[in-house]
Amino acid sequence: NAGVTQTPKFRVLKTGQSMTLLCAQDMNHEYMYWYRQDPGMGLRLIHYSVGEGTTAKGEVPDGYNVSRLKKQNFLLGLESAAPSQTSVYFCASIEQVGGGGRLQQYFGPGTRLTVL
Amino acid sequence: GDSVTQMEGPVTLSEEAFLTINCTYTATGYPSLFWYVQYPGEGLQLLLKATKADDKGSNKGFEATYRKETTSFHLEKGSVQVSDSAVYFCALSPRTDSWGKLQFGAGTQVVVTP
Repeated sequence: NAGVTQTPKFRVLKTGQSMTLLCAQDMNHEYMYWYRQDPGMGLRLIHYSVGEGTTAKGEVPDGYNVSRLKKQNFLLGLESAAPSQTSVYFCASIEQVGGGGRLQQYFGPGTRLTVL
Repeated sequence: GDSVTQMEGPVTLSEEAFLTINCTYTATGYPSLFWYVQYPGEGLQLLLKATKADDKGSNKGFEATYRKETTSFHLEKGSVQVSDSAVYFCALSPRTDSWGKLQFGAGTQVVVTP
């Protein structure tokens, strides 16, 4: 049981290039999330998914797209990278929402992205 | 909207010192409250949580009490170790249907020296 994994761990892009970050979880979780972490700002939600085939915008969705074609995978895409997207990206998942918000999120190890 | 405010770091302590990290929140109703810890180069791990007023979460010597009257969830540890050096995040999850989304504070870096 690997939990939540992210690929790649590090990446350097030039402005305008595109790339896809992969998040995979083997816990059969329904809900998945993409966050970005920037110094002094904590984690901010980019997009999330409440099940296979669904996606929704979070707090900072501009410049990103996502897809959830398979339940276990949640992809984050940057179509035209900008220096402002230099950040550490974290994926997380929850089995289901309910219980008054008691359920914890399980986080991946992160992807460090630099856009030059 | 909902928000979490936590004290700025870095907080530098000597081993065996007492640690307090303040966290206050703004939310409608009764959110669930969490403390996550991030060790260098790793993702976030749940440290402890509390889901209703006056609940005390505890784990690995850390404690935090859900205080609705002061809208606070301060993290404490009586005797820190070098291995407690990390970034600590306070977070809340609204009680109402929020699709499991978390609102995080900015994080507080803790550095424990021998």
